[in-house]
Amino acid sequence: DVKVTQSSRYLVKRTGEKVFLECVQDMDHENMFWYRQDPGLGLRLIYFSYDVKMKEKGDIPEGYSVSREKKERFSLILESASTNQTSMYLCASSYPDRAKYGYTFGSGTRLTVV
Amino acid sequence: GENVEQHPSTLSVQEGDSAVIKCTYSDSASNYFPWYKQELGKRPQLIIDIRSNVGEKKDQRIAVTLNKTAKHFSLHITETQPEDSAVYFCAASIREYGNKLVFGAGTILRVKS
Repeated sequence: DVKVTQSSRYLVKRTGEKVFLECVQDMDHENMFWYRQDPGLGLRLIYFSYDVKMKEKGDIPEGYSVSREKKERFSLILESASTNQTSMYLCASSYPDRAKYGYTFGSGTRLTVV
Repeated sequence: GENVEQHPSTLSVQEGDSAVIKCTYSDSASNYFPWYKQELGKRPQLIIDIRSNVGEKKDQRIAVTLNKTAKHFSLHITETQPEDSAVYFCAASIREYGNKLVFGAGTILRVKS
């Protein structure tokens, strides 16, 4: 069973702090993604990566950066946390093949910035 | 880029009735359309998907239809049960960009017993 593990379920951080959200997958998936989920807005893509050290901006990258030094790990970084980054953050991974498009999601990290 | 719109935002049905959720997409190059179910406090999970070379797909009480000409696709749940209560997300993917998914805003489905 594919596992996508997010390091924290709940986080509370102060405005201006640098925040790291970690995601690890154990299925050798090439693709990894970071989404944020807000009520009424669905899941919006922040960043994604198709390979180690590769990253591409999603639809809402402002205020975020990412790091993928190893295939299994994809980190989301909030350089200077702000209250409008309070949200649920979901990591996902997948194969690139047409036959295996489905995402596997992590359990999510609910981040509150105060 | 791709844009996916989903309706309705909330849907209440009586147990045993059918539920239909509709999505439209903007980019005719999209070729993969999955549906995810997210129960309260849990991660989204894939429940069914359809590719652009297929018009309809069924899996027990769940079916998805795709109209490529109109650029819309729908999720149909028959004989709804209380455990179907969840948030449902549709999504679309463009092959040329790997399998990056663009999601709809979600539908909260409540099945009343």
